[in-house]
Amino acid sequence: GEDVEQSLFLSVREGDSSVINCTYTDSSSTYLYWYKQEPGAGLQLLTYIFSNMDMKQDQRLTVLLNKKDKHLSLRIADTQTGDSAIYFCAEDPGAGSYQLTFGKGTKLSVIP
Amino acid sequence: NAGVTQTPKFQVLKTGQSMTLQCAQDMNHEYMSWYRQDPGMGLRLIHYSVGAGITDQGEVPNGYNVSRSTTEDFPLRLLSAAPSQTSVYFCASRVSGDSYEQYFGPGTRLTVT
Repeated sequence: GEDVEQSLFLSVREGDSSVINCTYTDSSSTYLYWYKQEPGAGLQLLTYIFSNMDMKQDQRLTVLLNKKDKHLSLRIADTQTGDSAIYFCAEDPGAGSYQLTFGKGTKLSVIP
Repeated sequence: NAGVTQTPKFQVLKTGQSMTLQCAQDMNHEYMSWYRQDPGMGLRLIHYSVGAGITDQGEVPNGYNVSRSTTEDFPLRLLSAAPSQTSVYFCASRVSGDSYEQYFGPGTRLTVT
């Protein structure tokens, strides 16, 4: 079955770049997502990438997709204390499935 | 639009009690789903619905029932609560088709003692 793997923790200094990595198993995934969860809150869609893209940039966020290795990364430039949160990678198999498979989440801690 | 709303925000139950977690959306989304979030486990799909009158099981459906009588509402029922159901529950909705965005509610934190 599908599986999405992420490291559980990442700690960076304010102003540095953060890179959160994710691997997935379903090669037929159509969309891959990054969600952000702040303490006590629900999940917020941060960005996404379609499976026929290699890279997507959105202000401080850069998503890289390596389909051959089934590897997805999220880079946050100039990381701020407000970026401290849990980041979830999720894959969408498409084809009318609608069932997202989430990773366990990476807790990003930003040190002032 | 209010988006996806969930009630209650917090609930404490005793083992064996029943309750219904409410979820509503005002975006006319066909697809709705329930997830549970446990520490170190990410989100796991409990049940989902692709439209009024249609529901199906997700990854962890045991101990939960759902129904979808209207497009707007998708309640989750716990018939006989167990401590293993202590979790944070999220409801989500999206349009059907190739839309990428799934909207999540704020969550219900449930404790079963």
